[in-house]
Amino acid sequence: GENVEQHPSTLSVQEGDSAVIKCTYSDSASNYFPWYKQELGKGPQLIIDIRSNVGEKKDQRIAVTLNKTAKHFSLHITETQPEDSAVYFCAARYNTDKLIFGTGTRLQVFP
Amino acid sequence: DAGVTQSPTHLIKTRGQQVTLRCSPKSGHDTVSWYQQALGQGPQFIFQYYEEEERQRGNFPDRFSGHQFPNYSSELNVNALLLGDSALYLCASSPGGETQYFGPGTRLLVL
Repeated sequence: GENVEQHPSTLSVQEGDSAVIKCTYSDSASNYFPWYKQELGKGPQLIIDIRSNVGEKKDQRIAVTLNKTAKHFSLHITETQPEDSAVYFCAARYNTDKLIFGTGTRLQVFP
Repeated sequence: DAGVTQSPTHLIKTRGQQVTLRCSPKSGHDTVSWYQQALGQGPQFIFQYYEEEERQRGNFPDRFSGHQFPNYSSELNVNALLLGDSALYLCASSPGGETQYFGPGTRLLVL
């Protein structure tokens, strides 16, 4: 079935430390994996995405890795800042353009 | 360039009523997807519109219907509202379907 599992559900880090969020998808046909950041009272904001023909992608302090064999993908945030505090969602694309989302990770960065 | 806009921002209805939510996509985007996000959960795909046709549908009852206009804007209609329909309704637009950008959402409360 269509399923995306996301861990951990909450993550607390000290400012300057790294944060890692992991997701697993079920359908090997999925080929597109976006990550969204959602702040309180706002809609999800796309922060980075990766396609299945690429193993890793980096954008400044944010990176995403993809292991197609294991059907795992992860978000890495380095040098975390208080403004990184938010809920992060991973997603996988199924059947053309339907996104299936994980359950979210609440990240708290303490100064 | 304006992003995805949605109206209204908040809405209160009673059980059994009907509601219409509206979405204007980003400039140049021709595909609109609708998602329902319950409190503390990830967005759930409702359906997607492209060229004024429903292209794909998630696991939602027929009470949920939509429309896309020639200018690519879209409406989501929900009939016979239930308490469980209370949620944040998100619209996402994309240039052809893949990379989806979300609006701020409409928060619906059903009493």
